[in-house]
Amino acid sequence: GESVGLHLPTLSVQEGDNSIINCAYSNSASDYFIWYKQESGKGPQFIIDIRSNMDKRQGQRVTVLLNKTVKHLSLQIAATQPGDSAVYFCAEKENFNKFYFGSGTKLNVKP
Amino acid sequence: EPEVTQTPSHQVTQMGQEVILRCVPISNHLYFYWYRQILGQKVEFLVSFYNNEISEKSEIFDDQFSVERPDGSNFTLKIRSTKLEDSAMYFCASSVYRGEQYFGPGTRLTVT
Repeated sequence: GESVGLHLPTLSVQEGDNSIINCAYSNSASDYFIWYKQESGKGPQFIIDIRSNMDKRQGQRVTVLLNKTVKHLSLQIAATQPGDSAVYFCAEKENFNKFYFGSGTKLNVKP
Repeated sequence: EPEVTQTPSHQVTQMGQEVILRCVPISNHLYFYWYRQILGQKVEFLVSFYNNEISEKSEIFDDQFSVERPDGSNFTLKIRSTKLEDSAMYFCASSVYRGEQYFGPGTRLTVT
């Protein structure tokens, strides 16, 4: 489940632009994936999920894409707002109920 | 809107002491979890709990750790003999199914 090292990449975008945050996962047997948002000093907050039998899922302003061939997950945020500034984690489910988190990407939205 | 609560928000303890971190999951949820996050690092899975027993645990969750659901509302994490490296933020989470998890605000554990 360890797919990303400790370095925290940062993505800086202008308010109103679209953001794309990427994540690589390691276990081809993982069947469920979640994106979380974590603001400073708070617990992770669920954004969107996707099962392995899908390759795309849309929510409100967010889209998750899953490419099982290359074990890659992405989160697209449309019309990024200052309130979207946070660290974003992907997580994969292994076995019955064990979740592994990536190391995260910091999204910085410039007004 | 229902939420997961955790107490205390900050716990300071001496190395070798036992600590109990408490969580009240959302009332109709069936799956319960503990995670930890060392400052500046990623969230690490510790344990999941379902139907009054541990369903999964990580390599971190050794014999020093235990979980309990002593009544219908609380979910606790006990560390028997704390070490310096146990210093971290501990998050409790709960879910209706094995999916969307709701996280509490965390307990910051400082071991001195």
